[in-house]
Amino acid sequence: DSGVTQTPKHLITATGQRVTLRCSPRSGDLSVYWYQQSLDQGLQFLIQYYNGEERAKGNILERFSAQQFPDLHSELNLSSLELGDSALYFCASSPTPDGTARGGYTFGSGTRLTVV
Amino acid sequence: GQNIDQPTEMTATEGAIVQINCTYQTSGFNGLFWYQQHAGEAPTFLSYNVLDGLEEKGRFSSFLSRSKGYSYLLLKELQMKDSASYLCAVRGSGTYKYIFGTGTRLKVLA
Repeated sequence: DSGVTQTPKHLITATGQRVTLRCSPRSGDLSVYWYQQSLDQGLQFLIQYYNGEERAKGNILERFSAQQFPDLHSELNLSSLELGDSALYFCASSPTPDGTARGGYTFGSGTRLTVV
Repeated sequence: GQNIDQPTEMTATEGAIVQINCTYQTSGFNGLFWYQQHAGEAPTFLSYNVLDGLEEKGRFSSFLSRSKGYSYLLLKELQMKDSASYLCAVRGSGTYKYIFGTGTRLKVLA
């Protein structure tokens, strides 16, 4: 157990639907990162929050949004889902905004999203 | 733009040494990570380099040359459990985000 908790572990939904993925960071970590991993794309950075504020943004689609709450957990919302959104979605956390302290990022076990 | 290149696949024999290379092009440089990822699992941290030179940690070592935009991960005394993907991730200047390469799938054969 890495200390980063992601729920649900698996999600199957239909095209056009909306889902919410949840992440609780490791105790003491203020920074949360979201990554998408498809078979042919590797880990793609989506967005980062630090202590409730957005700090960095990757190639996140407009259909996707995220936020970090006062208790530091984060949610990634995916709407108008398409087949191509099927992927593993990882959340990672770190104590600092740059992920360098205490061994970089700590990743959760991921949410496998299947859009049918 | 930013670009990270790693070989797609490598094969090595149990007990051997393997070197996995990573070349990168970024706007500035603020650190490089190596992660190990077994299929379907979360990536786990292996090493972090921000200055030139070699960082050794048990059977794993990582080297960085900032002037060449180059890093390698060296795995010694390979074990079957080392069969995994190895991901190189780089942070440029003026950003907090790390960009990951597509990873190198290492197969260790008996």
